[in-house]
Amino acid sequence: AQKITQTQPGMFVQEKEAVTLDCTYDTSDPSYGLFWYKQPSSGEMIFLIYQGSYDQQNATEGRYSLNFQKARKSANLVISASQLGDSAMYFCAMIPNTGNQFYFGTGTSLTVIP
Amino acid sequence: DTAVSQTPKYLVTQMGNDKSIKCEQNLGHDTMYWYKQDSKKFLKIMFSYNNKELIINETVPNRFSPKSPDKAHLNLHINSLELGDSAVYFCASSDSSGSGTDTQYFGPGTRLTVL
Repeated sequence: AQKITQTQPGMFVQEKEAVTLDCTYDTSDPSYGLFWYKQPSSGEMIFLIYQGSYDQQNATEGRYSLNFQKARKSANLVISASQLGDSAMYFCAMIPNTGNQFYFGTGTSLTVIP
Repeated sequence: DTAVSQTPKYLVTQMGNDKSIKCEQNLGHDTMYWYKQDSKKFLKIMFSYNNKELIINETVPNRFSPKSPDKAHLNLHINSLELGDSAVYFCASSDSSGSGTDTQYFGPGTRLTVL
C-alpha cells in the first residue's frame, strides 16, 4: 500500500528565513516519483518540484529544494528566503512506477510572517 | 494559452439536480484525472482516463460518471446531487510514460456547492 504522511498541519516562518516542510512516504515499489504542489488561497494547484527515486542529486527549482533521504523514505521541501507569497497549503505526493495514481499527503499550511 | 481549464469555476445548485463540469487540456497529454478536495483539503482521486479509456475508478457513487470524448477532454457528470457532494473538484492531466516521472498539471478547480 502507498502512503504519504505530512505531520505538520501548520507552520509559521519569518519572511526571508528558510523553512522545511516534512514529508514521509511508504511504498514497496522500487521506483517512484515524488512531487510537491502549492495551493494558495486562490485554490489552484501549482506544481513546484519533482524528485525521482533513482536521482542521485536532490532536486532544486529556484528557491525550492527537495531534501531526499531514500533510506528514511523522506522527501522534505525546503523553501529558502521565504516571501509573503509563499503563504499557502503545500502538498507532498508520490506516484509509483507501477501505477499512474498520485497519492497525496494531507497538506501543510505555511504562513509567512512579515 | 491555459494548460488545463475547467468550467465552470463556481457551481451552486440545489439537491437533486444534475450538473456537469467540463475539463480540457492543451498539453497533448494522454491521461486525465478527476480529484475531489473536501473541506479539510484532503485530495482524493476519483477517476483517471488514458486515451479515452477508464483506468482508475475509485470508490465513487455511481451518480458520478466521467466521459472522455477525446483525449483532450474529460467531463464529469453528477446526477442527483447531494449535500455531501459539495467540494472542490480538480481536473488534472499527465503524459503517462509509466516511469514514475509523470507530473500532473491541475486545472483551476470547480467549487461545487449543493444547497
